[in-house]
Amino acid sequence: AAGVIQSPRHLIKEKRETATLKCYPIPRHDTVYWYQQGPGQDPQFLISFYEKMQSDKGSIPDRFSAQQFSDYHSELNMSSLELGDSALYFCASSYFRLNLNTGELFFGEGSRLTVL
Amino acid sequence: DQQVKQNSPSLSVQEGRISILNCDYTNSMFDYFLWYKKYPAEGPTFLISISSIKDKNEDGRFTVFLNKSAKHLSLHIVPSQPGDSAVYFCAAKGGGADGLTFGKGTHLIIQP
Repeated sequence: AAGVIQSPRHLIKEKRETATLKCYPIPRHDTVYWYQQGPGQDPQFLISFYEKMQSDKGSIPDRFSAQQFSDYHSELNMSSLELGDSALYFCASSYFRLNLNTGELFFGEGSRLTVL
Repeated sequence: DQQVKQNSPSLSVQEGRISILNCDYTNSMFDYFLWYKKYPAEGPTFLISISSIKDKNEDGRFTVFLNKSAKHLSLHIVPSQPGDSAVYFCAAKGGGADGLTFGKGTHLIIQP
């Protein structure tokens, strides 16, 4: 079965540069979530989109922005990168109505961003 | 302020025995609790969940217990198998929010 696809899997950037991560949800899933997991930390919820509209916002820095496109894929744009942005970025998807109460998300394998 | 706490960073259990992973939470608005399992170089995968209106949910070798008064939940795996070796995250949702609040995870090691 198709899973959540994230690209790139690894990314190395310099401080103050910009990075873009992409996420392709499972077919028929209409909700996408972004999480950030720093070294030794728990995954932190950044932002979510339902039907191409932002549905919830967590601890996403102002330097970051995201959107969901008409084909339901999502992109996380990170600007003015800082050393502390080095982390594993997970994208997850769900079919909103199906998972309204259970909270079951399907995660991608993550994109590892290293800021030098 | 960690709203979901997993106080054991690691746990070692002998194959065939019971593994018990614990999780405490502070936010009384949480209404659903989940356990995710994560292997290296993979994303977390959903394991089992429990609604706040229940105190137990069982799925094969996995059982989750919820004690609302103590704000505590636990995951029991019995019997433990080598393939269960992974990091287990406790997560919670509630208050109408989309985002899950995760604990820091417990690394379960099943010894042969």
